[in-house]
Amino acid sequence: GENVEQHPSTLSVQEGDSAVIKCTYSDSASNYFPWYKQELGKRPQLIIDIRSNVGEKKDQRIAVTLNKTAKHFSLHITETQPEDSAVYFCAARPFKGGSQGNLIFGKGTKLSVKP
Amino acid sequence: DAGVTQSPTHLIKTRGQQVTLRCSPKSGHDTVSWYQQALGQGPQFIFQYYEEEERQRGNFPDRFSGHQFPNYSSELNVNALLLGDSALYLCASSLRRTGTYNSPLHFGNGTRLTVT
Repeated sequence: GENVEQHPSTLSVQEGDSAVIKCTYSDSASNYFPWYKQELGKRPQLIIDIRSNVGEKKDQRIAVTLNKTAKHFSLHITETQPEDSAVYFCAARPFKGGSQGNLIFGKGTKLSVKP
Repeated sequence: DAGVTQSPTHLIKTRGQQVTLRCSPKSGHDTVSWYQQALGQGPQFIFQYYEEEERQRGNFPDRFSGHQFPNYSSELNVNALLLGDSALYLCASSLRRTGTYNSPLHFGNGTRLTVT
């Protein structure tokens, strides 16, 4: 089955710097890759997603890139702000038998943005 | 437009007891998935319900069961609770109808279950 590896587990940056979180997946049939942000005690919130027919997607300070050949995808946050501090999860959804599978999550990256 | 709502928010149970968690999906969504999130880990898929049937199941024992009602709301039941069942249980809803493949998952705030 699908397995998602996420690195690093913790990341500390200065306000204004960029942050990059990387994930790899094992199932080449996966075709949907969302990223979730989870603040302490709150629900995971979708911040950006990408489908396998797209190589890059941007939304203001957030971008995601996908390399299907290498089976890895990355989250890029530019001009980080203290409110970006949270745990970020990547996920992959395999395509099985003509229907969408369930999301497989990485273990998370705790991002700390220091003012 | 109400998002995904879950009840209760917190629950304390004793080993061996049974628990029922409830979820109402986001308005317009027809599919409910349940996830278990242990402390410091990513969510793990338990099962998914669509059209009142369990459509997919993760690697969880039969002690975990569920139900979906005609109004799309759902329940998660866990029997014979173990200490290891202590976790945040997240409900997520999405839209599965034709043309909405890969509809994003929207999560509720979760139910924090503590088993003592």
